[in-house]
Amino acid sequence: NAGVMQNPRHLVRRRGQEARLRCSPMKGHSHVYWYRQLPEEGLKFMVYLQKENIIDESGMPKERFSAEFPKEGPSILRIQQVVRGDSAAYFCASSPLGSSTTDTQYFGPGTRLTVL
Amino acid sequence: GENVEQHPSTLSVQEGDSAVIKCTYSDSASNYFPWYKQELGKGPQLIIDIRSNVGEKKDQRIAVTLNKTAKHFSLHITETQPEDSAVYFCAASIRGGSQGNLIFGKGTKLSVKP
Repeated sequence: NAGVMQNPRHLVRRRGQEARLRCSPMKGHSHVYWYRQLPEEGLKFMVYLQKENIIDESGMPKERFSAEFPKEGPSILRIQQVVRGDSAAYFCASSPLGSSTTDTQYFGPGTRLTVL
Repeated sequence: GENVEQHPSTLSVQEGDSAVIKCTYSDSASNYFPWYKQELGKGPQLIIDIRSNVGEKKDQRIAVTLNKTAKHFSLHITETQPEDSAVYFCAASIRGGSQGNLIFGKGTKLSVKP
């Protein structure tokens, strides 16, 4: 049973370019969370999605950032016009049931974004 | 909103000794407290979790305790081994509501010296 898959693992972009990060949840999981981790810091929540729905985007910057989780295919975190401050590790987690009393979030290996 | 504080930020122990990491949380509505281990260049891996209806949970060398009144929870690792060296994160969330996101502490870098 494959775990959470993220690609690319490393992404280098120049300032002003777009970054697209992909996340395929574990088989049978329909809930996806995105977190950002700055160097020497803990993970910060960005957005929580179910298939075709954004449930909670309270942690995502209002500008330049967007996320989707289509009916078919992986979840995408999109960062437009990247700036150096966007350099971080971006982690995706998935869970089978969402915010119930029995689920757990399983994390992928992350995408390390470097903005030059 | 919820705030999670984690201490210490670094911890160095000799192989075979015990390690204890402590976290406090601010929102009394939080009811789920997982601990994750993160090795260099990898994603966080769940090692143990506890829910608010339980005061203690143990899994081999790892145990977690929860004090709801004081709003703090701790990770205990006994008989530490070099492969336990990693960054450990505590987290808190509210299960059963409309939110599902985890609020993380800033992490503890554990070094186990052989």
